[in-house]
Amino acid sequence: SQQGEEDPQALSIQEGENATMNCSYKTSINNLQWYRQNSGRGLVHLILIRSNEREKHSGRLRVTLDTSKKSSSLLITASRAADTASYFCATDTGGYNKLIFGAGTRLAVHP
Amino acid sequence: DAGVIQSPRHEVTEMGQEVTLRCKPISGHDYLFWYRQTMMRGLELLIYFNNNVPIDDSGMPEDRFSAKMPNASFSTLKIQPSEPRDSAVYFCASSRGGNTDTQYFGPGTRLTVL
Repeated sequence: SQQGEEDPQALSIQEGENATMNCSYKTSINNLQWYRQNSGRGLVHLILIRSNEREKHSGRLRVTLDTSKKSSSLLITASRAADTASYFCATDTGGYNKLIFGAGTRLAVHP
Repeated sequence: DAGVIQSPRHEVTEMGQEVTLRCKPISGHDYLFWYRQTMMRGLELLIYFNNNVPIDDSGMPEDRFSAKMPNASFSTLKIQPSEPRDSAVYFCASSRGGNTDTQYFGPGTRLTVL
């Protein structure tokens, strides 16, 4: 069963626009991570936010975490065509050393 | 560092054949994970190792699947006998620590079972 569920499943925007992806999860977590996967490639880690953090930034990425709602969002500002990829949230399982990945959001950024 | 290395990158085999996928984790990483990715089921954790010891294999689909890690720099995932429903992309990932650490993924092995 999947711990994290992203929405939307797919997002199509123009270059320069912001892209927001959401992730909801079911059980308590220690941290939540976001990964990107380009077509035909492995996943690449983007950012990790711990359960006691509410917001984190990395370059054009902004991640928020609301543990009361069991949800997180990933915002990509000023998107570029190179941001076209699938984005996955991953949660730990509160004490076990493994991550559970959501189904992902497919982002298409058009020039 | 070269990153996580997987081989082969592509494998096409016939139903009933044995398939062996290989992974070399990043040096110094104590955790190794095997995942399977399909359109229908997404990314599934099959098994993970800590210091070469299998910790959780609850994701292994059935007895046809087995994984080993004979030393810190090598792991194999074997499917015997293979079936068409095993067709997927198999990823190996490694991390320095457990769930609080970044996982580094290999490029994957695309397996097609005819």
